[in-house]
Formats: sequence, structure tokens, C-alpha cells
Amino acid sequence: DQQVKQNSPSLSVQEGRISILNCDYTNSMFDYFLWYKKYPAEGPTFLISISSIKDKNEDGRFTVFLNKSAKHLSLHIVPSQPGDSAVYFCAASVEGAQKLVFGQGTRLTINP
Amino acid sequence: DTAVSQTPKYLVTQMGNDKSIKCEQNLGHDTMYWYKQDSKKFLKIMFSYNNKELIINETVPNRFSPKSPDKAHLNLHINSLELGDSAVYFCASSQRSPGTETQYFGPGTRLLVL
Repeated sequence: DQQVKQNSPSLSVQEGRISILNCDYTNSMFDYFLWYKKYPAEGPTFLISISSIKDKNEDGRFTVFLNKSAKHLSLHIVPSQPGDSAVYFCAASVEGAQKLVFGQGTRLTINP
Repeated sequence: DTAVSQTPKYLVTQMGNDKSIKCEQNLGHDTMYWYKQDSKKFLKIMFSYNNKELIINETVPNRFSPKSPDKAHLNLHINSLELGDSAVYFCASSQRSPGTETQYFGPGTRLLVL
């Protein structure tokens, strides 16, 4: 039972354009959402997060949008850079549960 | 200065052996975790420790035994290794704080059981 889903296994974007990565969840108890970036042979690196009391959080080129009614969040990267090529994982948690539930990841490739 | 470190980075061993993976964090966090990334690339929690106390055990076989000697360390011992244990194991840590569950991950230990 996959509670967090990233339905696009891969995404290819031109350098300088916007990258949009999507994530859906089924558990309405989730109240904190995160995006992690992962390079090969490395651990996931925290990128940006959002609490369920917000619908947008921005950090430089990265913006996360949360639509609670649709149980959907997205990560926007603009402008996309070659160094952004990695696997992006969406994760969700319930406050106090002390565990993250991950999506299966989306491989983002930025083409020069 | 690495925030969350794991040793070894690679581990190749025979079925039936016993092995350990070590994890240390220097972030001053009070909670540590073990995750497993299987061949399908899903990252799933195995264990969570808060202040050396086991909080989460996600139906992991009892061949897996975590040990937390102090808040900065969480080791994973695996008995009688099986082929299906081949995976990448990630350690993580966080500071328990209402409203945030940001976890910071180590580089992973790639375990191959032959």
C-alpha cells in the first residue's frame, strides 16, 4: 500500500527551463512534507519542506506547493541547471510518528 | 566534517554470515533511524531510536538487531544473512521537534549477499 506516489519515474528538461516534479499521497493524516535530492552512491539530501498549514514554501530556485484538498504536492525548480540532475524523492510524515514515508522517486535530467 | 556517517560503505558477504553496519551523527540530534532501499529503489523505514530507546520497529525480521550505545550512534547487526538482505541501508538522524520531521541521511551502506 503505497501512501506516497511519484507517478513519473523520469523527467527530462532543458537547461534554464522550469522543472516540475509531482507527488500524490493518500493518507490525510500527513502534515509535513519534504523533498530530497539524491545523487548516485550518495544518501538523500534534504532540499525543502512544507507544513500542512501552508500551501507554498520557497527557497531560492526551489518552490514547493501543497494542495491539501487534492492530496498533491509539487516541486518547482527554476531555472533548471545541469547540477539539478538527480533522483528526487517526495516524503511525508505525521507529527510525532517519527518516520518518513517516501515516494519511489523521479529521475530528473537537465539537458544542456 | 560529515554530519551523518556510516561504515562500511560497501559490504560483500556470504549467505549465513553475521555482519554489522555502524552509524554516527555529530548533529546533536536525539533521534536516529535505519532505512532500507531495495532493488525497486523504495526507501522504507526499519527502525527509529529516540534517546537510545527503540520507538519504531517496522516488522523487520528479528535477524536484524539495532543497538544504540548513545544518542550519537545507532548500529545495525544482521544475523544469518540472506540473499534478500542485499540492499542499500541508510542511517538518518533528526531532532524531535513539534511540526518538523526533517531527517538527515548518511551516504548509505551497499550490502551484497552472495
